[in-house]
This record gives sequence, C-alpha cells and structure tokens, in this order.
Amino acid sequence: GESVGLHLPTLSVQEGDNSIINCAYSNSASDYFIWYKQESGKGPQFIIDIRSNMDKRQGQRVTVLLNKTVKHLSLQIAATQPGDSAVYFCAENRDNAGNMLTFGGGTRLMVKP
Amino acid sequence: KAGVTQTPRYLIKTRGQQVTLSCSPISGHRSVSWYQQTPGQGLQFLFEYFSETQRNKGNFPGRFSGRQFSNSRSEMNVSTLELGDSALYLCASSLGTGGVQYFGPGTRLTVT
Repeated sequence: GESVGLHLPTLSVQEGDNSIINCAYSNSASDYFIWYKQESGKGPQFIIDIRSNMDKRQGQRVTVLLNKTVKHLSLQIAATQPGDSAVYFCAENRDNAGNMLTFGGGTRLMVKP
Repeated sequence: KAGVTQTPRYLIKTRGQQVTLSCSPISGHRSVSWYQQTPGQGLQFLFEYFSETQRNKGNFPGRFSGRQFSNSRSEMNVSTLELGDSALYLCASSLGTGGVQYFGPGTRLTVT
C-alpha cells in the first residue's frame, strides 16, 4: 500500500549542530504533512506542519521544507540540544481522507553532548 | 487546557480475551483517531470517529472496533486477543478535519 517515509535510520549529531531529517512520501494526492517527535514511553508530540501550497514553514528552531516535485519532506532543527533526542516521524494526510494519517517509519535522532 | 488522556496506561491480557481502551480528547475536539504502534509495523491507523460516527477505517480485522460518545470520549475494543495485538495503542484528537492531531500517552497492551 501507499506509505510515507523511510525505514528507521539513526542520525547522530553533536550538541549545537544543525540536524536534518528527511522523509519521502509516495502519494501525490497528499496535501498536508506533519512532523512528530516521540520520546521513549510517550505519545507522539506535534512539532510543525505544512500544507501542500507552501514550500517552507518555520517554527521555533525548526523548519520544514516540502518539495512536491520529488515528493520529499525535511525537518531542520537548529542548534540541536540533548532534549531533541527522540524518534521523529513524518505523517501525511489527504484532503478526502478525514483525519487518517499515514506515518513514515521514523528516524532516531541522538544528540551527543 | 488538559491534553488527551488514555486509560489504562498498561494492560496485560491473555489470548482469547477481549479488552476495552478509553480515550478522552482535548476539550472541544470532536475528532478522535486511534493508531496501533508496533516495532515491526510502526504507526498504523485503526479508525477515526467524528461526532459519534466512524468516518474512516484502516486495514485491521473486524476484531478491532470502536465507538464515540456524545461528549467525544472514545473507546476501542479488541475481541479474541492474539499475541500479535501486543502494541502501544494511541489516541489522537483534533478540532475538525485536516488539522493537527494531538496524541495521548498511549495504552501499552501486552497479550500473553
């Protein structure tokens, strides 16, 4: 079936560096994308979202980039901190699918102090 | 504003039993979605309820069912439990359609 994202890779970065987490989606009909952060023992926490009529959206220390041509999504975290260590998921939603989210496999981010 | 709450947080059941999980959405949210999270399959959509009606359903067997009450609280039920049903069951709530979904902490179900 249709799916979003990659198998679970691990990204290891030094504290203070910038992190970039990537995600590929397969459904060109997807028009809404969300990034979630999940820490051990907790539910996914909303980070930032973007709609398909935008290419870029910025939040506090985070930026999401959307490239619809190649169906690629990325999450950039500036000045990565130890508290950013978690698994990050991208998710997609289609306009005619209610609130059904299709999740990617996730990326584990490890921040070295 | 209180977040999404789920009860119980942990549950151990035996094969063949049935289980009911509960979810209370954020106040004012009318949509509740349920997801199953396992190491092998990741996060998979189970179903969504909006104003007491099931609006979407994922690719799960009929043993998985749910309902939503008039106060937007939702329950999901799994009958005839199998070992493979061991997972973290997550509930998410949303104001309406196509917006941010906020997740609860999940219910960890272990089937022995």
